[in-house]
Amino acid sequence: KAGVTQTPRYLIKTRGQQVTLSCSPISGHRSVSWYQQTPGQGLQFLFEYFSETQRNKGNFPGRFSGRQFSNSRSEMNVSTLELGDSALYLCASSLREYQETQYFGPGTRLLVL
Amino acid sequence: AQSVTQLDSHVSVSEGTPVLLRCNYSSSYSPSLFWYVQHPNKGLQLLLKYTSAATLVKGINGFEAEFKKSETSFHLTKPSAHMSDAAEYFCVVSDLKTVYNQGGKLIFGQGTELSVKP
Repeated sequence: KAGVTQTPRYLIKTRGQQVTLSCSPISGHRSVSWYQQTPGQGLQFLFEYFSETQRNKGNFPGRFSGRQFSNSRSEMNVSTLELGDSALYLCASSLREYQETQYFGPGTRLLVL
Repeated sequence: AQSVTQLDSHVSVSEGTPVLLRCNYSSSYSPSLFWYVQHPNKGLQLLLKYTSAATLVKGINGFEAEFKKSETSFHLTKPSAHMSDAAEYFCVVSDLKTVYNQGGKLIFGQGTELSVKP
């Protein structure tokens, strides 16, 4: 069974631009979570989606948003990019709602210049 | 509120010697605990998880961890380190009440970088 896939793997953007990252969960998994990883803040939870509904959101500004499609694929969007948004963005999927065990993708590394 | 403290930011061992990565947690309810490993430029891989079935949990690649409620600890060990074990390790906590109320949110420790010398 294929694992979690994320595209693109690497991105370079400039301040003020917006970016969309994509995540395809493991086949049959219906919950998708997003995390941001930076050297200073470590791994921080962004949001979780299940059945196309956002179930929980971390402490990030409204510039960070996401959605989930009917096939469980998810996208996250960051608008008006700032230098501090440079990070590794990790997507994780789990089988069902209220499922704690999450399986992570390889991440998308975003560099904002 | 849940929290995780990894007591060492960096651990260095020689190949063939034991590995001990320390983790203390705080949780208001019965926690689920995980160890994840991240190799350079890779995503996170689940090593093992504790969900109250047994206090000694065996994971992949020879790793195991012991849940000690009295000490609120969940240390990761391996009897003999291999060069391929060099990576960053994350201790993670979740609990069912938070999961049911707030969804599948994991709380990560700051990570421990493991170096293995030949």
